[in-house]
Formats: sequence, C-alpha cells, structure tokens
Amino acid sequence: EAQVTQNPRYLITVTGKKLTVTCSQNMNHEYMSWYRQDPGLGLRQIYYSMNVEVTDKGDVPEGYKVSRKEKRNFPLILESPSPNQTSLYFCASRALLAKNIQYFGAGTRLSVL
Amino acid sequence: GQNIDQPTEMTATEGAIVQINCTYQTSGFNGLFWYQQHAGEAPTFLSYNVLDGLEEKGRFSSFLSRSKGYSYLLLKELQMKDSASYLCAVREKYGGATNKLIFGTGTLLAVQP
Repeated sequence: EAQVTQNPRYLITVTGKKLTVTCSQNMNHEYMSWYRQDPGLGLRQIYYSMNVEVTDKGDVPEGYKVSRKEKRNFPLILESPSPNQTSLYFCASRALLAKNIQYFGAGTRLSVL
Repeated sequence: GQNIDQPTEMTATEGAIVQINCTYQTSGFNGLFWYQQHAGEAPTFLSYNVLDGLEEKGRFSSFLSRSKGYSYLLLKELQMKDSASYLCAVREKYGGATNKLIFGTGTLLAVQP
C-alpha cells in the first residue's frame, strides 16, 4: 500500500530538548515536504526536498532542520524546541512528473511545554 | 506573492448540494487542487484542475477559470461524513521547473441532518 508514514503521532516535550520527527514514503517520490498547520493559518511549508541531498527552505523554516540522505526518508529536526512550535505537523511526498498529487502522512501533534 | 481566499465556514443539509468557492492571485499558475481534511487527520486528494472547465468525479466536481482566478468545489447528495475542512491549493511554478503548493486556510463544512 502506497503511504507516507510519520512518527511519532503524538509528542509532548519540554523547551530546549532536541527531537526528531521521522517521515518515510514507499512510492519512490522525489519530492518531500514538511508542513505545520495552525488554526486560522492553514498549512504552511517548513522545508522541502527535490531529491536526495537537495533541500530548501519553505515559508516558515526558522527553528527547524531537515536532511535527505535517502530518497524514502525526510526527518524533521527541532534542535531546541520552543512553545511556539506547538503545532500539527504533516509530512508529504509527490512525484515530480505528471499530475503530481501530493500525499500526506497522518500527522504529528507536537506540544512543547 | 500569492493569496488564496475561501470562506471560513459553511453549513449545509444532508442530501443537498453545496458549492465552496476559492479565489486566488498568483504568478506562474500551474494547477489547482482540492483536498478534504477531517479534524486531526491528513488531507486527502479530491480533485485537480489545470485547464478551464469542470472536472467531475462521482459526487464531487471542481471548476476552474484561470482568467478569473477562481475555482469551486461542488458536493452533491451531501452525506454526514462530508463534514470536514476543504482545502484549496494552488500549484505555483517558479525558478524553472520547481513547483510549490500554496494552501488556503480551508473551509469548514458542517452537514446537518
């Protein structure tokens, strides 16, 4: 089954404690992306990657890092989380060709205390 | 820059028809998507328009007018399970072959018995 898998689904942490949210896709997609979703603001792109070792900032990259060492994985790293990073996070992937529908993971609800 | 507008909330009755509008302003338009998102879940793909006109898929149809920067999603024979947020997203081409998906803030549809 084609899917985007992100873990953990729920996470409560404290300010300053480094954390990583993993994302993996099994569709051989070149493009992967991270979004955060906040009430009234919609989905905002944090970082994206066009392929292995190719990453770039989205609209709200501050406080986040990503890496793309393998095609299937695109982890989101918060080196020093702060309360304003409390949000619902989605990983997404798509092919670069044709209609390139974007597929989303189930989401990670993060609370930073 | 880009701007996507859609109503914040709508209410409709089970069995009825509802139309959700989306207007956008963007450079390098390269397609428009509609996604459905139930509360706390991942957005799922509904429809895609890149040329003017109507795309029909079962109970769901989507219309696009590129000259007016306008799209709508039409839901027929509404069911209770259609209660969800509907996201309009515009794919914007920039920097050569790079495409970016810009999301509106979503329209929360409540279907009442």
